[in-house]
Amino acid sequence: AQRVTQPEKLLSVFKGAPVELKCNYSYSGSPELFWYVQYSRQRLQLLLRHISRESIKGFTADLNKGETSFHLKKPFAQEEDSAMYYCALSGEGSGNTGKLIFGQGTTLQVKP
Amino acid sequence: DAGVTQSPTHLIKTRGQHVTLRCSPISGHKSVSWYQQVLGQGPQFIFQYYEKEERGRGNFPDRFSARQFPNYSSELNVNALLLGDSALYLCASSLVVGEQFFGPGTRLTVL
Repeated sequence: AQRVTQPEKLLSVFKGAPVELKCNYSYSGSPELFWYVQYSRQRLQLLLRHISRESIKGFTADLNKGETSFHLKKPFAQEEDSAMYYCALSGEGSGNTGKLIFGQGTTLQVKP
Repeated sequence: DAGVTQSPTHLIKTRGQHVTLRCSPISGHKSVSWYQQVLGQGPQFIFQYYEKEERGRGNFPDRFSARQFPNYSSELNVNALLLGDSALYLCASSLVVGEQFFGPGTRLTVL
């Protein structure tokens, strides 16, 4: 079964500390993995996707097929990073990103 | 472009009623997807429509239906509402390949 697991509901760190938001997935094929973010009172938006290999707002995520993980990392957290983060996968293979399977989300709280 | 728009913003219904939610995609986007987000959980895929054809359906009962119009806008219909249908309903549009852009959602409360 296709599944995305985010084991932490809340991650609280101090400003300047490193951040790692965990994501594990279950999928038998070659999934495409995403991180979405929702800032307070804003709509859900794409943060990054593994195929683009970009660093967005200082965040990076590496797909580890052996460990079936796609953890989101940032070396130095900023207060404006406080938000809800969702890991998601698309198993369509053909590049269709219209069917996403989301994890439960992790609230990142960056304290001053 | 205002991005993906959804209407209404909020609505309250009673058990047994039916509801229609509407979504207008970003201009040029032909794919529309619907998600249900129950409080405290991540969005759950309901439907995807592309070029007015259903392209995928999640694990939802037949009470849930949707359609896409020639202008690529979409409606989600839910019949015989249950208390458990209370949720935020999200619409997202995309080119088939590429980033999904989400709307602000419609908050449905079933009493």
